[in-house]
Amino acid sequence: AQKITQTQPGMFVQEKEAVTLDCTYDTSDPSYGLFWYKQPSSGEMIFLIYQGSYDQQNATEGRYSLNFQKARKSANLVISASQLGDSAMYFCAMQGAGTALIFGKGTTLSVSS
Amino acid sequence: DTAVSQTPKYLVTQMGNDKSIKCEQNLGHDTMYWYKQDSKKFLKIMFSYNNKELIINETVPNRFSPKSPDKAHLNLHINSLELGDSAVYFCASSQDNGLYEQYFGPGTRLTVT
Repeated sequence: AQKITQTQPGMFVQEKEAVTLDCTYDTSDPSYGLFWYKQPSSGEMIFLIYQGSYDQQNATEGRYSLNFQKARKSANLVISASQLGDSAMYFCAMQGAGTALIFGKGTTLSVSS
Repeated sequence: DTAVSQTPKYLVTQMGNDKSIKCEQNLGHDTMYWYKQDSKKFLKIMFSYNNKELIINETVPNRFSPKSPDKAHLNLHINSLELGDSAVYFCASSQDNGLYEQYFGPGTRLTVT
């Protein structure tokens, strides 16, 4: 069975600092995708970044990068130069080939000035 | 030019009633989904349709019935509403049912009293 674990219920960071949100996963599928979504207090779900299991390089999208360590089954999200607008809940998610997207329990990030 | 839209945004109703939530996407995607986010913010897949065909049907009470009249629309009808159905329901779409990012609608907050 597939499983996603986010062990940090809450994280705090100061503006302009980098922060890492942890995510570990478990699957027996050789082909899978890892996703990060942001949910601000307004409630919408915003796609941030995707990493495929066969991708050789870590995914990056602007200030977001995904630290993919396949052997350790981890897919941590790194946000560089945090901004106040980054305060939100962040969800790690995984999908196997032909299976549903499953989500972790989320990490609430608070950015202070 | 909203990509994935849902109506209504809020729905307050009494136990035992029947209600529907509508979803439309203008992204030209083949696959659409319904998710339920509970009071602890946990997101879980309910249904997935690919080109109007049901491909994922998680363990959901049969009081919930999705309908896809065409690949741009996926509606959710709920019969005999119960208190435990109170949640935020998200519609999402993706290019197809492979490993692609999903784009979410704004959510419908359902409150059953």
